[in-house]
Order: sequence, then structure tokens, then C-alpha cells
Amino acid sequence: GEDVEQSLFLSVREGDSSVINCTYTDSSSTYLYWYKQEPGAGLQLLTYIFSNMDMKQDQRLTVLLNKKDKHLSLRIADTQTGDSAIYFCAETPGSARQLTFGSGTQLTVLP
Amino acid sequence: DTGVSQNPRHKITKRGQNVTFRCDPISEHNRLYWYRQTLGQGPEFLTYFQNEAQLEKSRLLSDRFSAERPKGSFSTLEIQRTEQGDSAMYLCASSLGGSGEAFFGQGTRLTVV
Repeated sequence: GEDVEQSLFLSVREGDSSVINCTYTDSSSTYLYWYKQEPGAGLQLLTYIFSNMDMKQDQRLTVLLNKKDKHLSLRIADTQTGDSAIYFCAETPGSARQLTFGSGTQLTVLP
Repeated sequence: DTGVSQNPRHKITKRGQNVTFRCDPISEHNRLYWYRQTLGQGPEFLTYFQNEAQLEKSRLLSDRFSAERPKGSFSTLEIQRTEQGDSAMYLCASSLGGSGEAFFGQGTRLTVV
């Protein structure tokens, strides 16, 4: 079945690292994604990882994929106040073309 | 701006009225998707097109919902006989083939009163 789960809230201090976790159920997912949504705005694609990769790094963002445990994480280094937003994990299950999203993690960056 | 464009940004309508939203995808993108997002939830897939063909529509919420992409470019989503439960953000996204990257528009926020 299709199910993507995330913790609802995360608070960190400015300058610290943030780690947002996600679990998914469909082992045949081809791509796994992280999107960012700021209040009143659409979704911004941050990064994605192909299912045959373990890790992807892009500037301050590091994505780790554990296929055995169906676990995906997003690490944001040197978190800034501008990183405060809702972060969504998403997958493309099986042969589907559409995205299945989690409920999102609200990241709050404290000064 | 060459991103995904949605109009209108906001729509307030009375219960029972019909509404139509428009999405203009990124010009070279052949795939177009519609999602619905309610407060506190992630986007929920509704339907998608590859060029002008609607390849998946089983997730449309009821027969009051329909979508078209007549020339394989812009798309419209229509909701007939709106109900208060239809109040949500309606998001459009587009992608190029199997690139894996779907880009979203700003959404249309629908309020049914």
C-alpha cells in the first residue's frame, strides 16, 4: 500500500543541524523527494534521490536513503531562520507517475 | 516567469456553484498533475495528463470533479455543485517525461461558503 509517514514538528536552534525523517511503505518506489512549503505558497522541490542511491548531497542538504528499512532523511546543515517551513517527503510508488506525500514536518528555527 | 502558473490564486464561491481553475505548466513539460491539499495535510493526488491524454483519473474525489487538457498545454479543473468540503488548496504540477522532477504552481485556494 501507499503510506508515507513523518513526525509533525521539529524545533532547532539557528546554526544547528536539522534532521527530518520519513518512512515509506512501497519498496518499488523509483524516486524519493523532499519538498519545502512556506506559508501560503506552493511546494518547492528541494532535492530528490533515485532509489539505487544511498546518499545525495547538495550544498547544505544531505539526503540519506535506507532501502532496507524504507527510511529517508533530510539533513540541513547550519539551519537558518529562513529554513522555517513545512517539509514534505514524497515517493512515486510502483509504476505510478504521481507523488504520494507525507503529512509534512513543521520545522521551526529558534534564534 | 517560466514556472507553473495557476489562476485564480483565490476563489470564494457559494455552495452549489460551479468553479473552474486553470493551470499553465512549464512550456516543454508533457506531464501535468492536479493535487488537493487541506489544512495540515500533504497534497493528495487527483489526476494527471501526459500531453492531452488523461492517464489517471480514478482518484478524482467524485463525479463532480473533472479535468481537461485539450491541446496538451494548459489544463482546467472544474468542480460542479461545490460543497463546503471542497474548500482546499488546489495545486498543479508539471514534469518532463520520466525526469523525476515535478514543479508546483502557487495553487488556487478555494473557499466554499
